[in-house]
Amino acid sequence: DAKTTQPTSMDCAEGRAANLPCNHSTISGNEYVYWYRQIHSQGPQYIIHGLKNNETNEMASLIITEDRKSSTLILPHATLRDTAVYYCILNSGGSNYKLTFGKGTLLTVNP
Amino acid sequence: GAVVSQHPSRVICKSGTSVKIECRSLDFQATTMFWYRQFPKKSLMLMATSNEGSKATYEQGVEKDKFLINHASLTLSTLTVTSAHPEDSSFYICSARGLAAEQYFGPGTRLTVT
Repeated sequence: DAKTTQPTSMDCAEGRAANLPCNHSTISGNEYVYWYRQIHSQGPQYIIHGLKNNETNEMASLIITEDRKSSTLILPHATLRDTAVYYCILNSGGSNYKLTFGKGTLLTVNP
Repeated sequence: GAVVSQHPSRVICKSGTSVKIECRSLDFQATTMFWYRQFPKKSLMLMATSNEGSKATYEQGVEKDKFLINHASLTLSTLTVTSAHPEDSSFYICSARGLAAEQYFGPGTRLTVT
């Protein structure tokens, strides 16, 4: 079973920031938080990952709470092409880094 | 990000035949490759993990004799669905990992068994 909890769906207006939450209250000290997204009928796309510090790249920002029990993925200026299912996944690097996908959050960006 | 390709993107085959799907890492050497299956409106389910030059490790409930995996080089892994049946119809996705922690996914292969 996935060790993360995400809302089933969210809506966001085009051009606005999309903030996607993820709860992972049982996270272990050596587990990273990974975010992937899957656009319909495509393979998942890596977005970002972090351990305890906030991270930012060209796609998104990842904010991890100090206790590491939750995190938020931020898409600063959502576009229609950001409509996808977003997955928050924990991984410690064990077992060759295999990922366990939960149900994710369907983000719909509206014009 | 790194590029992973899959071939074919879509295949239709008759029940009882075998189908081979290729997964290639185009711009990095993949020490580990993963094969997933995704049924409609469901999440990805890991089928197996393969390391170059060694036998694949299958997840519980996945038949290794039905889903043959070969990871012959650092850039190529193949999944062969043997004696395919309609219930094997699914979206098959591979991913590859190099020295870094991130996995990069292929675009997927839609298999339809008639």
